[in-house]
Amino acid sequence: EAGVTQFPSHSVIEKGQTVTLRCDPISGHDNLYWYRRVMGKEIKFLLHFVKESKQDESGMPNNRFLAERTGGTYSTLKVQPAELEDSGVYFCASSQNGGANVLTFGAGSRLTVL
Amino acid sequence: GDSVTQMEGPVTLSEEAFLTINCTYTATGYPSLFWYVQYPGEGLQLLLKATKADDKGSNKGFEATYRKETTSFHLEKGSVQVSDSAVYFCALLSSGGSYIPTFGRGTSLIVHP
Repeated sequence: EAGVTQFPSHSVIEKGQTVTLRCDPISGHDNLYWYRRVMGKEIKFLLHFVKESKQDESGMPNNRFLAERTGGTYSTLKVQPAELEDSGVYFCASSQNGGANVLTFGAGSRLTVL
Repeated sequence: GDSVTQMEGPVTLSEEAFLTINCTYTATGYPSLFWYVQYPGEGLQLLLKATKADDKGSNKGFEATYRKETTSFHLEKGSVQVSDSAVYFCALLSSGGSYIPTFGRGTSLIVHP
């Protein structure tokens, strides 16, 4: 079984530019989560998809962040325009049934905004 | 709201030393508690979990006991190996509500030969 795949593994952009991160969950996993870890701090929840629907987006920091999950398969997280404080590691995770099921994480996408 | 507090790292040990990484939590109700581990270049993976008070989770020589009276879930291992070098995250899942896990800040462990 393939794991959760994230792309790119590392992106370096300048302030004001746009970046799109992609996550391919485990096939058949309806639940997809985005988290972010700023250097040395907690892994903070951003949002949760069930299939193509946003179940909970309470963690999205502001309207510069846009997440989509077309067709309930892969998901993208776009940051436009990027700011310095957006730097961090963005993790994607998926689970089959949500609830108390254990999440399977990707390796993360490291974003550096200069 | 829910929160998880972990000891600051990095924790640096020699091989075969005893490991403790402290974790305390704040949550309503009776959460499930987890330790995840992230090895270099990989995603977080579940190390162990406990779902009710006094439960002990264990895996790969690591153990953690769910202590409701002290709201703690400290991670321990009797004899660490170089291959245990990684970042360890404590997490909780509340018993009622959104089923969104809450994570701590992570503790980096470095084990020297």
